[in-house]
Amino acid sequence: SYELTQPPSVSVSPGQTASITCSGDKLGDKYACWYQQKPGQSPVLVIYQDSKRPSGIPERFSGSNSGNTATLTISGTQAMDEADYYCQAWDSNRRVFGGGTKLTVL
Amino acid sequence: EVQLVESGGGLVQPGRSLRLSCTASGFTFGDYAMSWVRQAPGKGLEWVGFIRSKAYGGTTEYAASVKGRFTISRDDSKSIAYLQMNSLKTEDTAVYYCTRDALTVVPYYYYYYMDVWGKGTTVTVSS
Repeated sequence: SYELTQPPSVSVSPGQTASITCSGDKLGDKYACWYQQKPGQSPVLVIYQDSKRPSGIPERFSGSNSGNTATLTISGTQAMDEADYYCQAWDSNRRVFGGGTKLTVL
Repeated sequence: EVQLVESGGGLVQPGRSLRLSCTASGFTFGDYAMSWVRQAPGKGLEWVGFIRSKAYGGTTEYAASVKGRFTISRDDSKSIAYLQMNSLKTEDTAVYYCTRDALTVVPYYYYYYMDVWGKGTTVTVSS
């Protein structure tokens, strides 16, 4: 079965750029999306179709996908961005999630 | 306001059944596919399954872990999606989220992404 791999944790200083990767076999041939989940809350879509931002998502969130890796980039990271982030792609009519990355802003 | 409200969760014994409901408001329910996603305590997200809109056949897809035990259905007249869970196992214990699936038509296939999530309902499978 298809698998997506994310680093368990990423740390970033406020105002710096955070990059969270998601790796999967030929992931660049699929579309990736990203969900943000803060403690005790439901997930929120932050990037879909590799690089598109839903309305209401700040411009500091961006995405890319090529080869075997999709990347979520948060520019000028703020304390409010501290959360778990999950990548997700489709494979053979099945949705697959990455294991999640805990972003710490310190 | 676009909203999804899950209900029907609770404590159930292994081997028993439970039906979850997802009541939608604020959008034309019948125009959208709907999904269920679950999250076990302290764990990551796991996709459960998906039902297309009637315009795209109303067909379903399921994760391997629930196929044959869980069934997703929809009642467009009531704006409700259902998750029927049979033969429940302790490992089905999780918060179950209902999501709306937005559709983008791209070359060669239909691309769905979950743009609205409910607050979830908790299912505990234990004796």
